[in-house]
Amino acid sequence: EVQLVESGGGLEQPGGSLRLSCAASGFTFSDYSMNWVRQAPGKGLEWVSYISSGGTAIFYADSVKGRFTISRDNAKNSLYLQLNSLRDEDTAVYYCAKGRTSTSTCMDVWGQGTTVTVSS
Amino acid sequence: EIVLTQSPGTLSLSPGDRTILSCRASQSVSNNYLAWYQQRPGQAPRLLIYRASSRATGIPDRFSGSGSGTDFTLTISRLEPEDFAVYYCQQYSTSRGTFGQGTKVEIK
Repeated sequence: EVQLVESGGGLEQPGGSLRLSCAASGFTFSDYSMNWVRQAPGKGLEWVSYISSGGTAIFYADSVKGRFTISRDNAKNSLYLQLNSLRDEDTAVYYCAKGRTSTSTCMDVWGQGTTVTVSS
Repeated sequence: EIVLTQSPGTLSLSPGDRTILSCRASQSVSNNYLAWYQQRPGQAPRLLIYRASSRATGIPDRFSGSGSGTDFTLTISRLEPEDFAVYYCQQYSTSRGTFGQGTKVEIK
């Protein structure tokens, strides 16, 4: 069964840091791009970041560029998102999602999400 | 950046109804790289349609997508109880996969 399981969310103060992880199973992780998408409470979906299958291409939404860092470890079938300089508006459920191909931001498998709350 | 505008914001319908959801892009979506997702309450999104009209694995044939350029639609031929949800379009023709704001399909 293809599965993505996120972890690492929690309560953090403004200006703080968190590291989200996503454990993948049931498919050849190194063959596919990966993405992070977030959803603020009661709001729509916001694409956050993308990394290609080999990790050579990385993109960010303008809202997180310079503060968040995406990475992957293909040997560990894991995806990461380092969140620095957190703001109140970063409060959201963060989803890890598998790209349909090695380079796509079209996402065919999603995790259940991990909740990040930024508050003092 | 390509901006996607979905309409209407909310649809109030009954099981068995047919419905058409609209997604309009601020500029042409190359290669028709337009996807549709369904999100039920409390659940993660699920891919329904990719490349404007191709159904994802396991998606019932009552869901169909069409369109090209800047205008795209998702049609649900006969609403089932489990179809009442929020639907999002997404363009993935650029390096940033932007979403529309969503259309909620609710029970009348």
